[in-house]
Formats: sequence, C-alpha cells, structure tokens
Amino acid sequence: DAGITQSPRHKVTETGTPVTLRCHQTENHRYMYWYRQDPGHGLRLIHYSYGVKDTDKGEVSDGYSVSRSKTEDFLLTLESATSSQTSVYFCAISESPSSYEQYFGPGTRLTVT
Amino acid sequence: DAKTTQPNSMESNEEEPVHLPCNHSTISGTDYIHWYRQLPSQGPEYVIHGLTSNVNNRMASLAIAEDRKSSTLILHRATLRDAAVYYCILRRSSNTGKLIFGQGTTLQVKP
Repeated sequence: DAGITQSPRHKVTETGTPVTLRCHQTENHRYMYWYRQDPGHGLRLIHYSYGVKDTDKGEVSDGYSVSRSKTEDFLLTLESATSSQTSVYFCAISESPSSYEQYFGPGTRLTVT
Repeated sequence: DAKTTQPNSMESNEEEPVHLPCNHSTISGTDYIHWYRQLPSQGPEYVIHGLTSNVNNRMASLAIAEDRKSSTLILHRATLRDAAVYYCILRRSSNTGKLIFGQGTTLQVKP
C-alpha cells in the first residue's frame, strides 16, 4: 500500500470555525490532490498540487484553500466551515500527471454542525 | 471533460464472471479509460486502464470497443470482496492528472 495518511480521520466542528485537514505521504510523489465525496456522488476535485508551493483549483474549490510547504504534506483549509462542507475528504497522490495510477488515502469524515 | 455513463447497480453471483459496462460516446483521441473501485469505507483504488487495446492484469480485464465509445470491465470470478462501487473514468492526457469521477456502478456479489 502507498504510504498516505490523513489526519484527523474524523472531525466534528461548528459552523464558522476554521478547519485544517492534513495529508501526509512517504512516497515522494510530486502530485497531490484533495477530493470530496458526498452521498450519491463520485469524488469531486477540490484542489491539487504539482509541486512545493505550486497549487491550482479543481472543480469545487470555493470555500477551500490549500498549502504545500514540503513535498510530503498537503493541507486543506476551510477558512469558515459551513454545513455544506460536511463530507468525506480524500487525499490522493501520483508521481506525475501521466501516471496511470493515483493512490488514495483512507479519508477524513468531516461533520459541520 | 468527456462524460461516462454507467448503470447505477449490478448484481452477480460469487465465482461467476461480471461484466461492468461503461459508455463514453464523447471520448477524444487522447483520453485514457481508467477504472477505479471503492470498497466500503475506503478510498478508491486503481483497477485497470487502457487507451485502445484490450488490457489484462491480475485484478481484471478491460475490453474497449473498436470505436472507443464504450468499454467493459470484466471480473473473471467475482468474490464477496469484489463488492464495491466501480468507477469508469476518462483521463485526458494533460498536465494535471486529475480524475473526473461519475456516480459509478454499485456491484453486489451474492454468495
């Protein structure tokens, strides 16, 4: 299994509070991704990173920011959490954009009350 | 981005082959066909991918129509552990590597 961990694995927070989710990898892969998954939907891309300090938006980036200060860590921040951001968040990594395989982490279940 | 269409759900008996269809009529010449699956309470995992030719690996086979407008993931002998949501995804050769997931097919395997 690819070395990807996510923390926390579960979190309950209140509307309006800031939340940061962490994705940590030990594979030294250049590309990292944050997806969210909601009931009845597949995964949707929030943000991705193609190197240290290099990030770009995905299809559902509103309300989220990311940072990547070192290769192994990719942080997803909800500046002011809303109930619509209640979801399961998955991190993924790949060696390059042409890599045929993305490796996914175990997910973080976030509940915003 | 090109779209894929899959049945919402399918059932199979254990130890029988399973054919999971996917339509992608708007596929472009540079789109790769990927299949991922997601077991309950886990992140997705890669199954197989192809461009034009049929592909086999230890997990499954991928049959791609000659016009590339459809494909079929084949599990040769379904086991209870194969019960999952299977996603057919088109990945465009680009500098992002992003995957566009649809709703997938929920496969139920009966003993």
